[in-house]
Amino acid sequence: DAGITQSPRHKVTETGTPVTLRCHQTENHRYMYWYRQDPGHGLRLIHYSYGVKDTDKGEVSDGYSVSRSKTEDFLLTLESATSSQTSVYFCATGQANEKLFFGSGTQLSVL
Amino acid sequence: RKEVEQDPGPFNVPEGATVAFNCTYSNSASQSFFWYRQDCRKEPKLLMSVYSSGNEDGRFTAQLNRASQYISLLIRDSKLSDSATYLCVVRNSGAGSYQLTFGKGTKLSVIP
Repeated sequence: DAGITQSPRHKVTETGTPVTLRCHQTENHRYMYWYRQDPGHGLRLIHYSYGVKDTDKGEVSDGYSVSRSKTEDFLLTLESATSSQTSVYFCATGQANEKLFFGSGTQLSVL
Repeated sequence: RKEVEQDPGPFNVPEGATVAFNCTYSNSASQSFFWYRQDCRKEPKLLMSVYSSGNEDGRFTAQLNRASQYISLLIRDSKLSDSATYLCVVRNSGAGSYQLTFGKGTKLSVIP
């Protein structure tokens, strides 16, 4: 399995607080992605990165920001968490036109 | 029309049965196609890529019909361990081709 680590694995927070999720990879993959998965919606892309400091928005980017200061790490930040951001968040990595490898996910609950 | 559509199921089949899933996609310029498998509360994992000529991996066969814009997955001799959600995934060509679009998944339960 690819070396992708997400932290934390579980997080409970209050509405209005900032939250940062971390994705760390040891595969030297160029592309990194953040998805959220909700019942009835499947996996939806939040943001992705195609290189260090190169990021772009996905289909559900509102309320989220990302940063990638080095190849290995891709951070997802919720500046002010809302209850609608309660979800399971998956990080994924890959090379161009190849399959994606997913981390184990982060269960985030915003109360 | 949604980009990638799948029958959500659930498909409840007995062990040893053959089951088929279909998936339709809306973008005729789509370039690459995949089936991922996701177990309950786990991350998705690649099951197989789908090639234009069709491809087989053991009990699993994937087919692509570009003219009708659908992809299929056939599972023969179903095992209990095949119980999972199967995700149809499409990669588009051109700008943003590093993005994958996921279907919502089809749930399969194989019953003893």
